[in-house]
Amino acid sequence: DVKVTQSSRYLVKRTGEKVFLECVQDMDHENMFWYRQDPGLGLRLIYFSYDVKMKEKGDIPEGYSVSREKKERFSLILESASTNQTSMYLCASSKGIQGIWNQPQHFGDGTRLSIL
Amino acid sequence: AQSVTQPDIHITVSEGASLELRCNYSYGATPYLFWYVQSPGQGLQLLLKYFSGDTLVQGIKGFEAEFKRSQSSFNLRKPSVHWSDAAEYFCAVGMDSSYKLIFGSGTRLLVRP
Repeated sequence: DVKVTQSSRYLVKRTGEKVFLECVQDMDHENMFWYRQDPGLGLRLIYFSYDVKMKEKGDIPEGYSVSREKKERFSLILESASTNQTSMYLCASSKGIQGIWNQPQHFGDGTRLSIL
Repeated sequence: AQSVTQPDIHITVSEGASLELRCNYSYGATPYLFWYVQSPGQGLQLLLKYFSGDTLVQGIKGFEAEFKRSQSSFNLRKPSVHWSDAAEYFCAVGMDSSYKLIFGSGTRLLVRP
């Protein structure tokens, strides 16, 4: 089974702090994704990466950055945390086979981040 | 723009009753369609997927979904709901030339004993 592991289940940080959320997958997937989940809004894509050191903005990248130095690890960075970034953050991964777009995504259990 | 609509925010059914969760999508070509389930405090788990072929798709945990192109719908069904099915359900659409998925806003299922 694919295992996507997020480093923290719960995290509390202060406004203005730089926050790192870490995600590791063990299935050699090319694609990795960071989503934000808020009630009534579903999942919104923040960033995704289709290869090491490659990234693409999603729908709501403002206030976030990402890092992918190794294939198995994808980090989400809140440069200067604000209270409106309090949310559930979900990481996912999928196989990246050129021309085959219908790969399902596999999710971690999420990190519930509170910014005070 | 591509979009996914789940018109029901909450649905409550009695244990043993049948279930149908609605999903409508907007996409010009044939979509790739997914249903995911999220139990409390957990990530999303894939229930089933449709890419092509038979429009009735079987998934895990006794769920099925039917793709209806004329209605742009991909509704999820289960003939007899169990208390453990209480969770939030998300419909998602994928497109050609992209690895990204677009998710609906979710439907929370409550199961009455």
